[in-house]
Amino acid sequence: KQEVTQIPAALSVPEGENLVLNCSFTDSAIYNLQWFRQDPGKGLTSLLLIQSSQREQTSGRLNASLDKSSGRSTLYIAASQPGDSATYLCAVRRDSNYQLIWGAGTKLIIKP
Amino acid sequence: DTGVSQDPRHKITKRGQNVTFRCDPISEHNRLYWYRQTLGQGPEFLTYFQNEAQLEKSRLLSDRFSAERPKGSFSTLEIQRTEQGDSAMYLCASSKGPPYNEQFFGPGTRLTVL
Repeated sequence: KQEVTQIPAALSVPEGENLVLNCSFTDSAIYNLQWFRQDPGKGLTSLLLIQSSQREQTSGRLNASLDKSSGRSTLYIAASQPGDSATYLCAVRRDSNYQLIWGAGTKLIIKP
Repeated sequence: DTGVSQDPRHKITKRGQNVTFRCDPISEHNRLYWYRQTLGQGPEFLTYFQNEAQLEKSRLLSDRFSAERPKGSFSTLEIQRTEQGDSAMYLCASSKGPPYNEQFFGPGTRLTVL
């Protein structure tokens, strides 16, 4: 059974710092991995999707990496800003199955 | 490009009442998903449609829950005889088929059962 874990559950850093959020999964047979952002009480915004054949994806100040063999993905945020404060969730899609299996998220606070 | 929309955004109901939520996916997306999210947790998969066909249902979807997508466009999720444990955010997402299968989410419907 696929399990997705995100550590830490919460992170607080000063504005301007670069930071890394972690996501680990137990079954390496994934189809893709997606990173999302969720603001309090709101829906989910897709940030980056990495196919199983890819190693990384970049969008602006965000870079997501994928290491299937070790069951890990990281989301790198460069030059953090207070507007980056949100909960970040990762989710994996299993082979031949359209479900997304989710981590519980990392709550990120960027202090001005 | 309009995104995924959900209606209502908030619903407060008394235990035992029936509620129905609606999801309108992005127009060219043939896949539609329902998830449930409780506070501090990641979403949990409920069910999935490809066009009008409901292809997968989670064990979380008890017989009080039913979902439809009659014409392969919008979808409804009905909860009968609501219980306090049904209080959660109900999220809808849509996607194209492979390889463009990134899921895009609506704003959610927050259900509170008193």
